[in-house]
Amino acid sequence: DIQMTQSPSSLSASVADRVTITCRASQSISGYLNWYQQRPGKAPKLLIYAAFSLQSGVPSRFSGSGSGTDFTLTISSLQPEDSATYYCQQSYSTPYTFGQGTKLEIK
Amino acid sequence: QVQLQESGPGLVKPSQTLSLTCTVSGGSISSGDYYWSWIRQPPGKGLEWIGYIYYSGSTYYNPSLKSRVTISVDTSKNQFSLKLSSVTAADTAVYYCARDLLVVPAYMDVWGKGTTVTVSS
Repeated sequence: DIQMTQSPSSLSASVADRVTITCRASQSISGYLNWYQQRPGKAPKLLIYAAFSLQSGVPSRFSGSGSGTDFTLTISSLQPEDSATYYCQQSYSTPYTFGQGTKLEIK
Repeated sequence: QVQLQESGPGLVKPSQTLSLTCTVSGGSISSGDYYWSWIRQPPGKGLEWIGYIYYSGSTYYNPSLKSRVTISVDTSKNQFSLKLSSVTAADTAVYYCARDLLVVPAYMDVWGKGTTVTVSS
């Protein structure tokens, strides 16, 4: 199985800050990387697919980049509603695997 | 707008079989454009992908659960189902169903709200 490792595991930032979350794969996954947002008590929501494509309806302050083994999710100007846990997921090979999550808190 | 809804018992006894159904509304499960996935999340933990099914019935299961998992589809009811046998407390989780777009690379774009299953006597 491909292991996905996110960093940091948690972070705290202020409104309007620029935030970056990193995801590293245990082997090359090309651009087969998706990002999800999960608010407490809710289902995950797709933010970014194929490493950098913004899902319809997702605010443009979210962006993704990377290829191979290293990927990033960036929130350009943090908003209060961005408080959530963020997961990366590889779809390069089955079984699909997720990172352990990054919990983002708003100061 | 496609919606998915999980249903099934919220409490299952140890060693028994967990059975859940995902009902698809607003679209056809027989569309050839999607796989239909199950994912679970133990309390306070991360996401684990269980497996998926195509409308034709072909499946792929996570090897970590393969010996205990069966996913099936009922196209006449626009539903797909999960059975997990010989459950233990470690199978306590929120179970989600999701639509997995059959493109390269694939991604899960629509999720159900999730249903909580507790394994306890």
